[in-house]
Amino acid sequence: DIQMTQSPSSLSASVGDRVTITCRASQGIRNDLAWYQQKPGKAPTRLIYSSSSLQSGVPSRFSGSGSGTEFTLTISSLQPEDFATYYCLQHNSYPFIFGPGTKVEIK
Amino acid sequence: EVRLEESGGGLVQPGTSLRLSCAALGFHFDDYAMHWVRQAPGKGLEWVASISRNSVSVGYADSVKGRFTISRDDAKGSLYLQMNSLSTDDTALYYCAKDSNSWVSHMDVWGKGTTVTVSS
Repeated sequence: DIQMTQSPSSLSASVGDRVTITCRASQGIRNDLAWYQQKPGKAPTRLIYSSSSLQSGVPSRFSGSGSGTEFTLTISSLQPEDFATYYCLQHNSYPFIFGPGTKVEIK
Repeated sequence: EVRLEESGGGLVQPGTSLRLSCAALGFHFDDYAMHWVRQAPGKGLEWVASISRNSVSVGYADSVKGRFTISRDDAKGSLYLQMNSLSTDDTALYYCAKDSNSWVSHMDVWGKGTTVTVSS
């Protein structure tokens, strides 16, 4: 099975900061990776698919990159509504695996 | 508007069964693969099962394989998860999610979830 690690597990940042979250796969998954945002008490929403494609309606401050085993989600200028938990998902092969999550908190 | 409405959750005893349903609204259900994802209280997301268009391909997490069955009724626009031999580890909020594609890929739209509590 493919294992997914995600770092950091949490971070504290200020409005306007640039934030980078990394997911690593234990073996190559091409670009079969998506990123999701989840706010407390809400269902996840898709931010990025195919590693770097931005979901329609998602602000352009969000971007994704990577291929193979290393992927990043970048928020170029953190906004108050971005404080949430972020998950990556590998869907290259069964079993699909979500990363453990990164909680982004207000500094 | 695409909407997914889960139902069927509840409080059950260990060893029993439960069937979750998901009603799909606002899109051509039979054109898309579908998924179940769960989240235990205070924990992260865990993929449970997926089914492709026409049910050609299905997949399960190791933790539920042999106990859970995903199925779909395209005529009713509904997705199901039959859960047998439930244990306390299955306690979670269960989300139904739509795929972007007809083949199994990844989730693009999620329902609000239905809660399953397994306790004696």
